[in-house]
Amino acid sequence: EVVLTQSPGTLSLSPGERATLSCRASERIKNNYVAWYQQKPGQAPRLLIFGGSNRATGIPERFSGSWSGTDFTLTISSLEPEDFAVYYCQEYGASSRTFGQGTKVDIK
Amino acid sequence: QVQLVQSGAEVKTPGSSVKVSCTSYGGTFVAYTVSWVRQAPGQGLEWMGGIKPLYGTPTYAHKFQDRVTITADESSDTAYMELSRLTSEDTAVYYCAREWAGDFDHWGQGTLVTVSS
Repeated sequence: EVVLTQSPGTLSLSPGERATLSCRASERIKNNYVAWYQQKPGQAPRLLIFGGSNRATGIPERFSGSWSGTDFTLTISSLEPEDFAVYYCQEYGASSRTFGQGTKVDIK
Repeated sequence: QVQLVQSGAEVKTPGSSVKVSCTSYGGTFVAYTVSWVRQAPGQGLEWMGGIKPLYGTPTYAHKFQDRVTITADESSDTAYMELSRLTSEDTAVYYCAREWAGDFDHWGQGTLVTVSS
């Protein structure tokens, strides 16, 4: 079973700064089937990125996904106040589904 | 617009079972997989399993396969997740989510299940 390790655990940044979140997979993921989600307190997660780099419907352009080998990255180019939240990666390259443990982006 | 509406909060005693429902509005229910994901207080997301109503055969995460049963009723566009032999560690918010291609593009509002004696 694939293990996803997200880093850092917490990222403290100011509005307007760039956020770079990492998700490392324990093995190659078929077709780079990795998604990213944003979750705010008391809410269900929201899909941001699917297929490693495709923005979901309605997601602003400041959110982007990329990868190199087994390392996946979510980048927020310029943080808006509403972007402070917890972010999860998830893989779906096999029959099971696995989430990373999450990265919290909080206000510095 | 797809909307997933879940049943209300539950309080259960240790050793009992809970059954949570998830009704789909505005989409083609049978064509997509519906998965269940749980989140313990202050913790991350954990996939439990899913079912594609068109085929009816569920897939379960190893961790839960001896305790969880996921079913679907096409006539009411509703999926169900039943978890048995509950312990305090099963206290969590349980979400249903629609799978698009393995990613989850629509989510229910969540159902809090509290296990307490």
